[in-house]
Amino acid sequence: DADVTQTPRNRITKTGKRIMLECSQTKGHDRMYWYRQDPGLGLRLIYYSFDVKDINKGEISDGYSVSRQAQAKFSLSLESAIPNQTALYFCATSDTGTGGETQYFGPGTRLLVL
Amino acid sequence: GESVGLHLPTLSVQEGDNSIINCAYSNSASDYFIWYKQESGKGPQFIIDIRSNMDKRQGQRVTVLLNKTVKHLSLQIAATQPGDSAVYFCADSNFRFAGGFKTIFGAGTRLFVKA
Repeated sequence: DADVTQTPRNRITKTGKRIMLECSQTKGHDRMYWYRQDPGLGLRLIYYSFDVKDINKGEISDGYSVSRQAQAKFSLSLESAIPNQTALYFCATSDTGTGGETQYFGPGTRLLVL
Repeated sequence: GESVGLHLPTLSVQEGDNSIINCAYSNSASDYFIWYKQESGKGPQFIIDIRSNMDKRQGQRVTVLLNKTVKHLSLQIAATQPGDSAVYFCADSNFRFAGGFKTIFGAGTRLFVKA
């Protein structure tokens, strides 16, 4: 089984709808992240969480919210979806060994907002 | 510097040739770097790392070079194969800030391998 899973893998929604993207991990990592990737572009950080009680905004948090329900679960919500939120969304976790981290990514959720 | 949504630069190489992908970083105190590979339809995956006490590290067909003087990192892929076609991200994986440390991803380079 995959260590970092995302549901759904694909989602089509309409403008104004609220949707939630879910991420689960079995790696036992404290740190979790949500990224957005637009076609032909790099990764942009939406939110990150260093532990269950620690939630931080990334560079593009407007229009998004998150919930860290447990160490293993980190969900991303779009309160009122708009077309320019159409993108590929990745969840990641990281281990924090001495002197840095390695991030482990889920398979991604492809979101289309009509 | 911080990751931004820049359009990915591209590199096109002939199958069998060597590929060199370059990356610059901004923080002279950074001491741990990772190269990630993102294949089409998948999330990025770790391929090789290097710490600042080294200037070269080799893996299987991949080598990472670190030049701390000019704050430059490169990934070399030997005998490039079609399966190497992907987007490659360099990452400052120990970027220190007020809240501790985090990862800063580069903009990425898309590698095309021509048969």
